[in-house]
Amino acid sequence: QSVLTQPPSVSGAPGQRVSISCTGSISNIGADYDVHWYQQLPGTAPKLLIYGNSNRPSGVPDRFSGSKSGTSASLAITGLQAEDEADYYCQSYDSSLSAVLFGGGTKLTVL
Amino acid sequence: QVQLVESGGGLVKPGGSLRLSCAASGFTFTFGDYYMSWIRQAPGKGLECISYIRGGGSTIYYTDSVKGRFTISRDNAKNSLYLQMNSLRADDTAVYYCARVTGSFYHYYFDVWGRGATVTVSS
Repeated sequence: QSVLTQPPSVSGAPGQRVSISCTGSISNIGADYDVHWYQQLPGTAPKLLIYGNSNRPSGVPDRFSGSKSGTSASLAITGLQAEDEADYYCQSYDSSLSAVLFGGGTKLTVL
Repeated sequence: QVQLVESGGGLVKPGGSLRLSCAASGFTFTFGDYYMSWIRQAPGKGLECISYIRGGGSTIYYTDSVKGRFTISRDNAKNSLYLQMNSLRADDTAVYYCARVTGSFYHYYFDVWGRGATVTVSS
């Protein structure tokens, strides 16, 4: 059971919008530590997708956006494409554990 | 082009040792300015940050499951990061990624990743 909780899977049809939640607590997201998101395509290394809650690295399409509120964060993907099918992970810092933590990951299926 | 390349993975028996290396390129003049980390992913599982080290080596973190068994180190002159793994167990079986750490304290994130090195612990 991860300290940062993500749904195991989400799905959507091409062109649709999907959202992936990352629920934490007052010792991590709720303590105002930044949330970051990673995309892991099948058989490849993770790639930074969103940093500092809502910032996109150069080269990441603006179809991907991040937000944070209270003890939760969300990754939204609009205009879903087949190439978006991947595992997505949130990451933050936890002061109780004094550790950098990842969420359990969410598998996105494009129908 | 900023790149990290891991090496040293392989098959090892329980109780054995292995040393992973990570060679950095594309940011060699500033390699010593960055925290560097090792992140692993067990088969079919999620990501776990197991260790990171400050640029000068003065600050080191280990997750509880590897404390006392794994040692992280770096050689800034060689733009390299290392992970010495001793007393390996079956549950250490994973792909081990080297990743560059960026961001301010407590807001760290991993902006550059290697392709990973596979470590299999089995008799």
